[in-house]
Amino acid sequence: QQPVQSPQAVILREGEDAVINCSSSKALYSVHWYRQKHGEAPVFLMILLKGGEQKGHEKISASFNEKKQQSSLYLTASQLSYSGTYFCGTGLNSGGSNYKLTFGKGTLLTVNP
Amino acid sequence: NAGVMQNPRHLVRRRGQEARLRCSPMKGHSHVYWYRQLPEEGLKFMVYLQKENIIDESGMPKERFSAEFPKEGPSILRIQQVVRGDSAAYFCASSPVAGENEQFFGPGTRLTVL
Repeated sequence: QQPVQSPQAVILREGEDAVINCSSSKALYSVHWYRQKHGEAPVFLMILLKGGEQKGHEKISASFNEKKQQSSLYLTASQLSYSGTYFCGTGLNSGGSNYKLTFGKGTLLTVNP
Repeated sequence: NAGVMQNPRHLVRRRGQEARLRCSPMKGHSHVYWYRQLPEEGLKFMVYLQKENIIDESGMPKERFSAEFPKEGPSILRIQQVVRGDSAAYFCASSPVAGENEQFFGPGTRLTVL
């Protein structure tokens, strides 16, 4: 089942912060965050794994609440380049079986000067 | 190191024709995934392939759609007898191993069925 992202859209001024949430009705093993600009490929931001391991960029932070089956992506001191649609993808299985990601509908982030 | 390559970037077909979408994974990557994206929607998993093997095609429609990843050459997603509902962006991703790692996405092929 598709994870639910909130908010659907957010508009910021440069320098402001934002939080994007991703909730699932299923027990999750991993949450993957991507950013996609219009007409381009999704770009990897971060993976959060059950048990606390994280893999990703230093300037992006995120949390993964395994019990609540939720993840949040924290964007601080936003820059114009942060604009785009943010997708969370959820994985249910550990190890090599965790390839099948189910993506949310996305959160459109617009950063204005 | 070149990224994931997809071609064509844009493809226009009339109803009933065939569409062939190609994907060359990143060098050293033997795992390929195809996703479909409709406007205002997230990416939907279609199929996962390793060299010469289809591992999981649970997201692919049972009819008209097929995928392959031959020993030599790119992965191919083939759609026979296209219909208007097949219009979408099709993304390919690759990874060096499957599972708890980043999937690197290509730029996508935007298919329009007239």
